[in-house]
Amino acid sequence: DVKVTQSSRYLVKRTGEKVFLECVQDMDHENMFWYRQDPGLGLRLIYFSYDVKMKEKGDIPEGYSVSREKKERFSLILESASTNQTSMYLCASSLAGQGYEQYFGPGTRLTVT
Amino acid sequence: RKEVEQDPGPFNVPEGATVAFNCTYSNSASQSFFWYRQDCRKEPKLLMSVYSSGNEDGRFTAQLNRASQYISLLIRDSKLSDSATYLCVVNNNNNDMRFGAGTRLTVKP
Repeated sequence: DVKVTQSSRYLVKRTGEKVFLECVQDMDHENMFWYRQDPGLGLRLIYFSYDVKMKEKGDIPEGYSVSREKKERFSLILESASTNQTSMYLCASSLAGQGYEQYFGPGTRLTVT
Repeated sequence: RKEVEQDPGPFNVPEGATVAFNCTYSNSASQSFFWYRQDCRKEPKLLMSVYSSGNEDGRFTAQLNRASQYISLLIRDSKLSDSATYLCVVNNNNNDMRFGAGTRLTVKP
């Protein structure tokens, strides 16, 4: 059974803080993704990684960076948190190749005050 | 214009009803298609893939019309446990999955 875990379910941070969101998958998936989900907008891709140390920008990378030092772990970093980054953050993983299912973690609800 | 558009609902139906959701996508080069289900405060999970010939999984039927760039999901004999948000998902290439904003369904006793 695929498992994707995220480091926190709920997080409250102050404006300007550096924020780390961690994601770990246990199925040896090549691809890992970070999305944010906001009401009425659906899931929007922030960054994805198709291999260790490889990353590609998604649709909304501004204000975010990522790190993938090990295959099973993909971190999302908010360099200087802002209130417009208050959102639900979802990590996902999948096998490489066309049309494979993405498996999601439980999400982190981040509030920036 | 959003790349994947869905009616946000909410759809409120009685148990046993048949309900249909529609989804349109704008990229004619899209290659694969899915419906995901997301329960309240939970992560999305794959419900079913959508094939050109149409496919059925129990009470759920998915159809794809490539010419019209349209995907549908039909749920027959609705159960209370079907209450959730249904996400239409379109895959343009290996890593480019586009999610609709979701259609919320509430099945009432």
